Amino acid sequence: GQSLEQPSEVTAVEGAIVQINCTYQTSGFYGLSWYQQHDGGAPTFLSYNALDGLEETGRFSSFLSRSDSYGYLLLQELQMKDSASYFCAVRGHNQGGKLIFGQGTELSVKP
Amino acid sequence: DGGITQSPKYLFRKEGQNVTLSCEQNLNHDAMYWYRQDPGQGLRLIYYSQIVNDFQKGDIAEGYSVSREKKESFPLTVTSAQKNPTAFYLCASSMAQGAMGEAFFGQGTRLTVV
Repeated sequence: GQSLEQPSEVTAVEGAIVQINCTYQTSGFYGLSWYQQHDGGAPTFLSYNALDGLEETGRFSSFLSRSDSYGYLLLQELQMKDSASYFCAVRGHNQGGKLIFGQGTELSVKP
Repeated sequence: DGGITQSPKYLFRKEGQNVTLSCEQNLNHDAMYWYRQDPGQGLRLIYYSQIVNDFQKGDIAEGYSVSREKKESFPLTVTSAQKNPTAFYLCASSMAQGAMGEAFFGQGTRLTVV
């Protein structure tokens, strides 16, 4: 089976840097994705790591280490609008491409 | 514009009724998914489909049914067997298994049992 663990909530101040971790248990997967969801809205794609290492997209970066079964999303220069829930997700090799999400991390950015 | 559309945005159901939520995409994606989200919770997979005329149960399929007769469409029926159907339902689509990781979501349907 597949499972992903994230912290339930994180608080940071504007302008700071925050890291949201994701640890997973899966027998094999194509890559680790990250999504952002504002309250009441639909999740939107942020980043994808197919290979180990760091992927950078503007203020957001994502990291994957398959040997450690671990990844993280790094948000820099935090803005109030970054307050949202963040989900990691994997699609497994097995089980017909099942796309599974973690429980989500609620990020609160304070002034 | 390409995208994924869910309808209706809000839906009210009486106890004992079946209701069908619509999901249509024009992104030419092979894979489609249905998720349920309860307040303050993550996304739980109900059903998914990688190809037309084929679909698999997710983690919480009981009380739900789907069909995939066309590539563009993946409707979800919430049956009377689903004991606690009030939730936010999200449909998503993506390229086929093994391809790029991005999934696109519809705006969701908020179902309330009255």
